[in-house]
Order: sequence, then C-alpha cells, then structure tokens
Amino acid sequence: LAKTTQPISMDSYEGQEVNITCSHNNIATNDYITWYQQFPSQGPRFIIQGYKTKVTNEVASLFIPADRKSSTLSLPRVSLSDTAVYYCLVRGRAGSYQLTFGKGTKLSVIP
Amino acid sequence: EPEVTQTPSHQVTQMGQEVILRCVPISNHLYFYWYRQILGQKVEFLVSFYNNEISEKSEIFDDQFSVERPDGSNFTLKIRSTKLEDSAMYFCASSGGGRVLNTGELFFGEGSRLTVL
Repeated sequence: LAKTTQPISMDSYEGQEVNITCSHNNIATNDYITWYQQFPSQGPRFIIQGYKTKVTNEVASLFIPADRKSSTLSLPRVSLSDTAVYYCLVRGRAGSYQLTFGKGTKLSVIP
Repeated sequence: EPEVTQTPSHQVTQMGQEVILRCVPISNHLYFYWYRQILGQKVEFLVSFYNNEISEKSEIFDDQFSVERPDGSNFTLKIRSTKLEDSAMYFCASSGGGRVLNTGELFFGEGSRLTVL
C-alpha cells in the first residue's frame, strides 16, 4: 500500500480557505486518493475521492496534479465545526478495501 | 440519511472474558468492515467481510477474533478472551450499495468503546 505523508497539524481562522496537502510518491496506477474526516470519539467520515485533476462536492475540493504524487484537500470558508483530524488515504482497485489510515492532519479552526 | 449503528456504545469487561460487539450496517450494503482505534493512535483495519466470508484481514485479527453475520442485518465482532491491549474504540463500517460497486466510500458507525480491566 502506498504511504502518505501530511502535516501533523494546521491552524486556521474561521472563514478562511484551508488547503491540506498530502504526498504519496509511490502511488500506483490504479490507486484512488480518498480523504476522511474524524471528530473526537466518532468514526471517520468520507469527504471526497479522486483519481486525477479536480473533484468538487458540496463539502470540499480535491486537486490532484498530473503526476499524482500529491493531492490537496481544499475546505472553503472553514468554521469552528470543521475542527477535526483529516486523513489522506490511497487505496487499491476494487478487490482490496483495506483502508490504511495514517496519523492525519489535526485542523484547529480558531474564532 | 441511512447510518451504521453499533452497540454497545461502551463496554467494560474483565481480562479473559468474551466480548461481542454488534453492528447494523446500512441495509443495501454488501461489504462490511471492522476497524479499531486505540486511544490517541491511528485507525487500524481489522477485517473485511463480503458474501458471507472474510475477504481480507490484518495481522491484528488473530484467532482471538471472529466475525459473523448471523442474520440479514447484524454484523458482529467477537473477541474470545480479551486482553488489556484490546482496549480501544471499535468501528464498524459498510460500503457498496445497490447497483453501484464499491467506490471507496466507507460509512462508519459511531464506535463501541471497549475497556478491558
């Protein structure tokens, strides 16, 4: 499984856009990039998934450059409730559903 | 919105006792999982289950662990003889519903906190 590296923590003020970058230098051709969010004492929650270029949903955007060795999760106009740990995961193709969570990025949103 | 439900939310047990953690996955999902998270540490994969059998398991999932789907709705994790180091939050997850094959989106429950004394 490809290893991911992301910042341990980030601080942001309310209302700002937050970009969390994850590196995955040995990503395989058939790997997807998936981001999850986890609040304390809760299960992880799926945010977004992509393979290349840009993916956007109602919660976030995911930017993936052509070489796919990194990806950036973008959270527009964060609020205090976005304070959580954000995990970048790389998974293999269908047939292997084992998600490997790293330590994630602890985002603290400050009023 | 459909959700994965887990019971109990917290269980305290004595070392050596058997524990069964229960999960009700989302009704039309086909793939079921157990993960655990020791306090302050990473979320770790234990096992995945599809078509009434284990499809993948990690090194953590040794002979002390077993999973079962006893009926059409429940998915259980049994720890046969608990150890102190089994104390953790155990998360059940499910994925893959309807005509859409697994997209990588796992739906996690709120977790069952197991404390082994």
